[in-house]
Parts: sequence; C-alpha cells; structure tokens
Amino acid sequence: DTGVSQDPRHKITKRGQNVTFRCDPISEHNRLYWYRQTLGQGPEFLTYFQNEAQLEKSRLLSDRFSAERPKGSFSTLEIQRTEQGDSAMYLCASSPRGGTEAFFGQGTRLTVV
Amino acid sequence: DAKTTQPNSMESNEEEPVHLPCNHSTISGTDYIHWYRQLPSQGPEYVIHGLTSNVNNRMASLAIAEDRKSSTLILHRATLRDAAVYYCILSPTGNQFYFGTGTSLTVIP
Repeated sequence: DTGVSQDPRHKITKRGQNVTFRCDPISEHNRLYWYRQTLGQGPEFLTYFQNEAQLEKSRLLSDRFSAERPKGSFSTLEIQRTEQGDSAMYLCASSPRGGTEAFFGQGTRLTVV
Repeated sequence: DAKTTQPNSMESNEEEPVHLPCNHSTISGTDYIHWYRQLPSQGPEYVIHGLTSNVNNRMASLAIAEDRKSSTLILHRATLRDAAVYYCILSPTGNQFYFGTGTSLTVIP
C-alpha cells in the first residue's frame, strides 16, 4: 500500500513530556498537511508544507508545536510540554502537484494522562 | 474561511439514493466545493469536488445550484459501507480545509 503512513498509530504520554509524530506522504506529493481532530469534531487545520517550505500555520499551532519537513519528503510534528488538552487524533495528508485532492493517513491518536 | 451548513445527521435505507445537502451562501467566486467522508476510526477520504458544473465520479455525483449558494452530494445506491460522516468544504486552493462537524449518515439495512 502506498498511501500516507503515520507513525505511531497510538501514543500515551504523561503531561509535560515531549512527543514527536512522523508522517510519510505519498511518493512525489509535494504538499503535506497536518490536522488535529478531537472527539465529535471535524479535523482542524494546523499547518501546510509545499516541498520543504512551511507556508501556512494555524493560530491553533501554539509555541509548543513545531512541524518540519526536511528535504520535502517525510514530516514530523513535535509537541513540547504536552497538556491534557493536546489529547486528539493528529492527521497527516498529502496532495500531488497541481491536484486538489488530499489523501489522508489513518492518524496518530495521542492521549495525555 | 467560508462557512458551510449541513444537517447533523441523516438516515437512508440500503440500496436507495441519498441526497446530502450543504448550504454555503457566502461562497466566493474562487471557492471550490469539496466533499470528504470519514468512516469510523479512519482518516477523511476524498469523495468529489466541483466549481460550477455538476460533477460525477465512480463514488458519487455533485449537484451545484446555479447561484452556487448550495450543493447536494448524491450517493446513487447507499450501501452499509457508506455509513460515515460527510463533510462539505469550501476552499479556493485545496491547501487547507475547514471541515466543520459534517453530516453523520446512517444506512439502515
């Protein structure tokens, strides 16, 4: 399967710890997105990369959140000093050059205890 | 971000057509209308998108009102696998989507 891959699928962490998630987009997709989804809500946009450049960031992305996409391939999303309110599903998606369809991964479910 | 309004939930009998409405009265001329769906415990899945004309693909049809202030996603024959949350989204570029809460579709066998 060559879809969007996210790792890990589940993460339980203690409040105050740092966590990092990885997203591998579909090969040759130049655009990559991160979203966050809490129970009963639709996904909320966090940030967007075109190749290695981070072009848009939501105001939801506080200083504790940082995302990178070195070399325009995989991406990482790090959350520092996690809080219980960070508990959510973190979704990654990618799109091909010139296309508007976004392909989503299955997400990483974060639980902060 | 342009706003869409969808019913919270809908039901359909299996093998019958389903019409999922979406209102977007503040749509701008450059906004595409996108539909995604999300099955339980899955990431969202692209369904269809359009700008002005009605669109068909293997999954569904999209009917867009002439004034573009509303649209309808049509599933021609609902199956149990179509039970999901359906999101209607406006985006000029497809570079970021504002999902809202969508319509939860229940398919009754």
